[in-house]
Formats: sequence, C-alpha cells, structure tokens
Amino acid sequence: GENVEQHPSTLSVQEGDSAVIKCTYSDSASNYFPWYKQELGKRPQLIIDIRSNVGEKKDQRIAVTLNKTAKHFSLHITETQPEDSAVYFCAAAPYGQNFVFGPGTRLSVLP
Amino acid sequence: GAVVSQHPSWVICKSGTSVKIECRSLDFQATTMFWYRQFPKQSLMLMATSNEGSKATYEQGVEKDKFLINHASLTLSTLTVTSAHPEDSSFYICSARGPTKTIAKNIQYFGAGTRLSVL
Repeated sequence: GENVEQHPSTLSVQEGDSAVIKCTYSDSASNYFPWYKQELGKRPQLIIDIRSNVGEKKDQRIAVTLNKTAKHFSLHITETQPEDSAVYFCAAAPYGQNFVFGPGTRLSVLP
Repeated sequence: GAVVSQHPSWVICKSGTSVKIECRSLDFQATTMFWYRQFPKQSLMLMATSNEGSKATYEQGVEKDKFLINHASLTLSTLTVTSAHPEDSSFYICSARGPTKTIAKNIQYFGAGTRLSVL
C-alpha cells in the first residue's frame, strides 16, 4: 500500500520568510495530493491540492509542486504570517481512494 | 465549502461506559465517511471507512467490536466506543468524502473532532 513520509517534522521561520514542506510517496498509482492545515484543537482544512497531470499549482501565497518521477511533492508558503502557524499534513492517493496522510509538520512563524 | 458537523466536541466518561459520537454532512450526501484517531502531536490514524448501508471496513489493529460504526444514512455516521477505558482517551475526527458528481468529489471534509477523556 501507499506510504507517505513528510519532512521536516517541525519548522520555525521568521515572519515574512518562506516555508517549504516536503513529502514523498511510494505508490506510483497515486495521482491526487492534497494538503491540509490543522490549527490547534481544530479540524484539518484543505488548503491546496494537486493532481498528477500538472506539476505546479498556486493559490496566492501557497503553492504545491509535484515531481512524479521522483515521487515527491512540496508545499511552499511565501511571506509567512503568524496565522500560518499550524500543523500541515500532506496526503496521497489514487483518485477516489482513501487518503494516506503524512505524519505532519508543525510550522511556527515567529513574529 | 461542504460542512461536516461532529458532536459532541468533548466528552468525559467513566471507565466501562460507552460513548457515541455523531458525524453529519450538513449540505451534501456523503456516501463514504472516515473515522480517524489522533494522539497529541501526531498524525491522523485512519480507524475505519464507512460506506452508507454497508459494514465498515476497519484498519488493521482496530477492534471492530470496541469501535462500532454505523452509517445508516447518506448524511450520518456514528462511532460508539464501547466499554471505554483510559487508553481510549484521544481525539477522534470524522471525515466525509465530498459531493459526488462534482469536481470536489474527491475532497475529504473534516468534522471538528471529539476529545474523549475516560476517567
């Protein structure tokens, strides 16, 4: 089955700097890669996703890149703000099948 | 976006009692719902996948007789922790797969979670 790894487990950046979180997956059949943000004590919320037919997707300060050959995808947050502090989870799955989540990255944006 | 409601948000119970957690999709029909368990500072651990009208599929190591899942309608799934013990204390989160026949059908929408404390 699918196995998703995520690095780093914790990340601290200064406000205004960029943050990058990387995930790798094992199942070449996976073609859907969502990213969720979970603030303390709250529900995970989808922030961006990408399908394997594209290599990059952007939404304002957030972008995701995908390298199918290497089986890795990354979340990029630019101009970080304190409200970006949260735990971020990546996931991978063949489209329509159950997600396999990474272990999460705790991002702290320091003022 | 779609809304998933989960109740209760927090429950404290005595050891040996059973606790029922409800998960509702408020504005869409969810043919598939998921139940996760999350320990502090850890990832989402899938416990079971529930399809409306059929038995839930449990992940390896999850006791189906202890964690009873019922998905009686397209908008409601319940998780009952039977004979709860302190080691069952955790954060339980449900999720529902997005509306079918829409571009969002593969998106999972999460409930707000239930914090269970067993004394």
